[in-house]
Amino acid sequence: DAGVIQSPRHEVTEMGQEVTLRCKPISGHDYLFWYRQTMMRGLELLIYFNNNVPIDDSGMPEDRFSAKMPNASFSTLKIQPSEPRDSAVYFCASSSRQGLFYNSPLHFGNGTRLTVT
Amino acid sequence: QQQVKQSPQSLIVQKGGISIINCAYENTAFDYFPWYQQFPGKGPALLIAIRPDVSEKKEGRFTISFNKSAKQFSLHIMDSQPGDSATYFCAAQQTGANNLFFGTGTRLTVIP
Repeated sequence: DAGVIQSPRHEVTEMGQEVTLRCKPISGHDYLFWYRQTMMRGLELLIYFNNNVPIDDSGMPEDRFSAKMPNASFSTLKIQPSEPRDSAVYFCASSSRQGLFYNSPLHFGNGTRLTVT
Repeated sequence: QQQVKQSPQSLIVQKGGISIINCAYENTAFDYFPWYQQFPGKGPALLIAIRPDVSEKKEGRFTISFNKSAKQFSLHIMDSQPGDSATYFCAAQQTGANNLFFGTGTRLTVIP
């Protein structure tokens, strides 16, 4: 099992440019989460999907952020246009089905470090 | 609004010492409390978790202590080792819900 795979590992871009982050979840996992990590706010949930359908996007900071999951093995997080305050580490995580009496651990990728200058 | 409050922000411990990280929550619906460990350049990984029907859970050198009435829980790392140097996140979740609320993290440094 290769785990959750994210690309790119590092992204440096100029303000105003479009940024696309990519994620391949663990095969068989039906939940996919996008988190943002900063020193000030720690880990923030941006959006999560269940069976490729967005369930809760209330953590998406602005309309500049969008996420898609066209199939069970791929998701993207897009920022357009990017701003310096978007600089952070973005994590994708996946898990198997949650249940009424069961909590499935999150499996995180190694993140994408985004720097917007 | 931070659902889970974590302290301290950073911690320096001598090798062989005990590391203690504390967390508090308000939502009494939370019934699952995991701790995640994150090494530099890596994503967080589940370390240990507890449910409120027990007051303590131990796995090797790692112990979670849980105080339901105070709505607090803590991670104790016994005989801390340099290899334990990492960032630790507490979290809370209501079983059946999908949101996992994380604390802001504690950066632990174990000095040889």
